[in-house]
Amino acid sequence: GAVVSQHPSWVICKSGTSVKIECRSLDFQATTMFWYRQFPKQSLMLMATSNEGSKATYEQGVEKDKFLINHASLTLSTLTVTSAHPEDSSFYICSARNREENTEAFFGQGTRLTVV
Amino acid sequence: AQSVTQPDIHITVSEGASLELRCNYSYGATPYLFWYVQSPGQGLQLLLKYFSGDTLVQGIKGFEAEFKRSQSSFNLRKPSVHWSDAAEYFCAVGAYGGYNKLIFGAGTRLAVHP
Repeated sequence: GAVVSQHPSWVICKSGTSVKIECRSLDFQATTMFWYRQFPKQSLMLMATSNEGSKATYEQGVEKDKFLINHASLTLSTLTVTSAHPEDSSFYICSARNREENTEAFFGQGTRLTVV
Repeated sequence: AQSVTQPDIHITVSEGASLELRCNYSYGATPYLFWYVQSPGQGLQLLLKYFSGDTLVQGIKGFEAEFKRSQSSFNLRKPSVHWSDAAEYFCAVGAYGGYNKLIFGAGTRLAVHP
């Protein structure tokens, strides 16, 4: 159990376009999901906390208009990178917390975004 | 400020040798501590976690970690390393059992020589 799936696993897009990344909890309901960003050979930095049915909470320095987060259901959160630029190229990882259990959040496999 | 320090950016060990990866944290409340492993281009796999109780925690793949409050440390150990252990290892701290956001260390890249 406790599987979190991200889609796509990798994506290449042109500068100026928008890209949507999905994070799904496959076998549990998640009221809270977290979006992290990881630059090459660096650690994970939290971008935002996504709460079902409400606005996401963004970390300091993260542009909310640039990184749109929608948590429309208990099993799905999406991150849309708007007007992507090469500096947005990164590895994006989500995690999801099971609303029924007092356990840690579970991580997806990540999405590699390359903007050309 | 809350932070996690992994002093060793890169470690190389021989297969069969013992391993210890260091992690120090700075956290104002009761810390909930985690070790994750990441293979290239992959997501994170939880190795082990400490919430409370016994300060020596057993994890998957033969790993263990010891929580030492007096030293603010949570070092990861393995008695005999296998070539498949080569990966990036992240220590993380969170509040409330990791229900909330996690703060990650910079990571330690482990290379294993045959």
